[in-house]
Parts: sequence; C-alpha cells; structure tokens
Amino acid sequence: QVQLVESGGGVVQPGRSLRLSCAASGFTFNNYGMHWVRQAPGKGLEWVAVIWYDGSNKYYADSVKGRFTISRDNAKNTLYLQMNSLRDEDTALYYCARSITLVRGAVDFWGLGTLVTVSS
Amino acid sequence: QSVLTQPPSVSGAPGQRVTISCTGSSSNIGAGYDVHWYQQLPGTAPKLLIYGNNNRPSGVPDRFSGSKSGTSASLAITGLQAEDEADYYCQSYDSSLGGSEVFGGGTKLTVL
Repeated sequence: QVQLVESGGGVVQPGRSLRLSCAASGFTFNNYGMHWVRQAPGKGLEWVAVIWYDGSNKYYADSVKGRFTISRDNAKNTLYLQMNSLRDEDTALYYCARSITLVRGAVDFWGLGTLVTVSS
Repeated sequence: QSVLTQPPSVSGAPGQRVTISCTGSSSNIGAGYDVHWYQQLPGTAPKLLIYGNNNRPSGVPDRFSGSKSGTSASLAITGLQAEDEADYYCQSYDSSLGGSEVFGGGTKLTVL
C-alpha cells in the first residue's frame, strides 16, 4: 500500500534552516509528481511546492519562493524540502503528498505530516 | 486571502443535500483548469473526494459529486450523514502565479 512518511520537523529559530524528508513506498516513485502542502495550526491548507516525476520542473508558492527548495532522489524514493531563512509564519504541519499525475494536479495520497515550529 | 473563495461554513440536517461553492477567476477555474475537492476530518490528513471537476476516486460514495461552470465550482453532498462533518477544500491551478496550485480557504460542514 502507498505510504508517505515525513521526517525532519522540529523547533527552529527564525532565520535558521531545516530540511524535511519524505520516504515513499508502495508505488513506483518516479512515475509521480510530488507536492509539499502545509497547514498552520487551526488554519487551512496552503500549497507549498511541486516537483515533476523526473525532477525536471519545480514550482513554488510565492510565500516560499527563493527560500525553499524542493528536490527528489528517485533512487532512494525520497522527497525533500530544504527550508532556509525560516519565518514565524512558516510554522505549520508539512504534508508530503503524491500527485495523481506525472507532473502536477490533484493529490491522491498524503502523509501524516511533520510539524515545523519557528520560534525564538 | 485565498485565490479561491469558499464559504467559511455550511450546515444541514441528516439526509439533506448541501453544496459548497468555490469561486475563482479567469486565471484559474475560468481558464479551464481542473478543480479538485478534499475532505479533512478533525486531526487527520486530507482525503481526495473529487478530481478533475467531477471524478470520484474508488471508494468515495456517489453521494459526493462535483461540477464546474464559468469561474466557479461546486461540491454537492446528498443524503447527509453525521460522519460527513468535516472541513472541505477546493484546489485548482492558477496561471498568474507562475505555475502554482492553489487551495480555497476551506469550508466547515456541520451536520445538525
């Protein structure tokens, strides 16, 4: 069965960096685009970034552009999110999510999320 | 302020039909991009309900249906059940944001 397991969250000071990982299993990882979606405490869903099946294209929300980098290692079935220059407003539960297509679009499987807290 | 606008809340009695709207613009829904819908039960990850405007993944009851017209889309739930009480989100693509997916602000459904 499809499994997405996020890790790497924690408490970090503003301005510092954090790298999230998502281990994928139960499907052919390099056949799907992958997203990061976040949810601040008590708030709605916010799309963060998407990477195509082969890593050839990456797109970001304006709120994280220039600070966050999405990447993938298809040999290791792993998705990453490098987060730099973190701000208070980046505090959220970060979900790793599988696109229904090779590139972008709907999300058909979600991980349980990893919590990132940015606080001094 | 979300690019896609949803009502903050809707409610209905068991057995009734409710609809949740998702209003966009000419750069997203109105441009022909697909709309997808998710259900998020308290304390859980979202679940895909509708993709490609009106398609249900396997396992989703046919009580849930989606439609799209112009710059708006709707999720309809018929035969409302207590377990439908959740947050619902729409999603689409916006061409004005450099290749961004966008979510609506979410709608809380209360079953009376």
